[in-house]
Amino acid sequence: DTVLTQSPALAVSPGERVTISCKASESVSTRMHWYQQKPGQQPKLLIYKASNLASGVPARFSGSGSGTDFTLTIDPVEADDTATYFCQQSWNGPRTFGGGTKLELK
Amino acid sequence: EVQLVESGGGLVQPGRSLKLSCAASGFTFSNYGMHWIRQAPTKGLEWVASISPSGGSTYYRDSVKGRFTISRDNAKSTLYLQMDSLRSEDTATYYCATDTYGGYTYWGQGVMVTVSS
Repeated sequence: DTVLTQSPALAVSPGERVTISCKASESVSTRMHWYQQKPGQQPKLLIYKASNLASGVPARFSGSGSGTDFTLTIDPVEADDTATYFCQQSWNGPRTFGGGTKLELK
Repeated sequence: EVQLVESGGGLVQPGRSLKLSCAASGFTFSNYGMHWIRQAPTKGLEWVASISPSGGSTYYRDSVKGRFTISRDNAKSTLYLQMDSLRSEDTATYYCATDTYGGYTYWGQGVMVTVSS
């Protein structure tokens, strides 16, 4: 299975720019998707196919990358962005998720 | 408005069975592949099973093959997950989700399944 590796946690101040990375163990082309999950809630799709903004998602969120290296950028970060962010691939075999990056605001 | 509402979760003993349902509304259910995804307490997300729009094709993660069965009733706009021979490691919140471009656009609120004696 394709393993997706994310940093466990990040802490940033409101108004700053933050990048969350996701590295795949093998190429996933551009079939990488990003989700935001707040405590007690279901995940919410932010970005699909690496760089496409999902409906209703603020333009502060953007995605980039292809192959094995992907990035989710939030610029500027707001207090409401405190959450865990997951990447997910749909290119190889069973769909897999990254372990999640917990974003905390200072 | 798209809605996915799961039901059927609960506490069950190891080796027993449980059937989850996911009632869909607000979109043409029969046009979409559907998935079950689970999340163990304080853990990450794990794809469990998927089914094609017609129901003719189904897929499972290795750890549930032979124990879980995904199905759908397009006339009722409902997705199911029959879970047999449950194990403690199946304990999780189970979500149903729609498949768009390989990502999951809409998710239900989730239903908790606890496997314990």
